[in-house]
Amino acid sequence: GAVVSQHPSWVICKSGTSVKIECRSLDFQATTMFWYRQFPKQSLMLMATSNEGSKATYEQGVEKDKFLINHASLTLSTLTVTSAHPEDSSFYICSANTAEPYEQYFGPGTRLTVT
Amino acid sequence: GQNIDQPTEMTATEGAIVQINCTYQTSGFNGLFWYQQHAGEAPTFLSYNVLDGLEEKGRFSSFLSRSKGYSYLLLKELQMKDSASYLCAAMDSNYQLIWGAGTKLIIKP
Repeated sequence: GAVVSQHPSWVICKSGTSVKIECRSLDFQATTMFWYRQFPKQSLMLMATSNEGSKATYEQGVEKDKFLINHASLTLSTLTVTSAHPEDSSFYICSANTAEPYEQYFGPGTRLTVT
Repeated sequence: GQNIDQPTEMTATEGAIVQINCTYQTSGFNGLFWYQQHAGEAPTFLSYNVLDGLEEKGRFSSFLSRSKGYSYLLLKELQMKDSASYLCAAMDSNYQLIWGAGTKLIIKP
């Protein structure tokens, strides 16, 4: 099946710093990638839809200036958490659609802890 | 509005069968997905239904009734490793997934 990777798998950073998370589709091209956030014992919350070569579409309540998304190629999307605060600590997961739009595969997730 | 309902938690016995139900209301419909998520890990794809009926994949089966806005995931011959959260998600007319809150399945020996 299709494989999506994320890097790093976990990161600890100090409050006020920025963190970049990479999401790659390893064996297929993804015109659309999605970024989710998941707090403990809660379901996935879609943050934004990332389209290659265009600006991301953010969900209501997600600050686009704080969560910068860049979809530079058909296999890479990045999420940068700027000026991170402890409340940004969460599990960030990306996913990508295969060419058949009904199949969405998830990366392994990145656990962010802001101290 | 768009909504997905599934039970919060279920308990079953190793070796038994369990059925996890999901009802959905979406703007348009492009399929129903089931994902398994173990604690601390990302979800993994289990099944996709877009037509009415039952899809079987080994120990797991998924059923869809579009007229009723209803799906279920059936797990047979339960194993301890099946203890996880099971997420139901419906794809709307914009091909966006609408997620349920997940059903935590507890398997007892």
